[in-house]
Amino acid sequence: GQNIDQPTEMTATEGAIVQINCTYQTSGFNGLFWYQQHAGEAPTFLSYNVLDGLEEKGRFSSFLSRSKGYSYLLLKELQMKDSASYLCSRLYSGAGSYQLTFGKGTKLSVIP
Amino acid sequence: EPEVTQTPSHQVTQMGQEVILRCVPISNHLYFYWYRQILGQKVEFLVSFYNNEISEKSEIFDDQFSVERPDGSNFTLKIRSTKLEDSAMYFCASSDRGGNSPLHFGNGTRLTVT
Repeated sequence: GQNIDQPTEMTATEGAIVQINCTYQTSGFNGLFWYQQHAGEAPTFLSYNVLDGLEEKGRFSSFLSRSKGYSYLLLKELQMKDSASYLCSRLYSGAGSYQLTFGKGTKLSVIP
Repeated sequence: EPEVTQTPSHQVTQMGQEVILRCVPISNHLYFYWYRQILGQKVEFLVSFYNNEISEKSEIFDDQFSVERPDGSNFTLKIRSTKLEDSAMYFCASSDRGGNSPLHFGNGTRLTVT
């Protein structure tokens, strides 16, 4: 299987920092993506990790540990508009093709 | 910025009817995908398409589903005989290189089967 586990919901305060964790099955792993999805809208790409370590992109950073099957998304200086679902998604490769599988998403609520 | 466009934004159909969902991927992209999201649930992979053929499909993508690229710009998903459980948001996506290239999603078609 390609199970991806992440918390269902989180709440954080405007201006704070929040970390959203994700664990995944490591077999066939070929990269880890984070997407943001506002309610009723399409997912939009945030970050991609294929090697261990931290990737920073403005207020958002994403970390990967391949040996542990673990990633997190770090959001700094939270803004109200960051209220959305954050989807951890794993790129699986096998038999010459790729498939991107999504977790159920973490619904983040940013409060004043 | 170029974007993936999908039509219609909403589609209501009766059980047993055929529907065609349409997508125009980003023009220089070569890899095309359909995903669906049942209300309140996760985004699920249906099918990927490259070089005019299906490269990967999920268990959901059974014989009632088909995809086609009828011309140089459109990419369609056909559901032959819709069931109530097909009600979902259907997202089309495209990428330029496949593999680890990020997917660009359209705004989706909300399909309601009554």
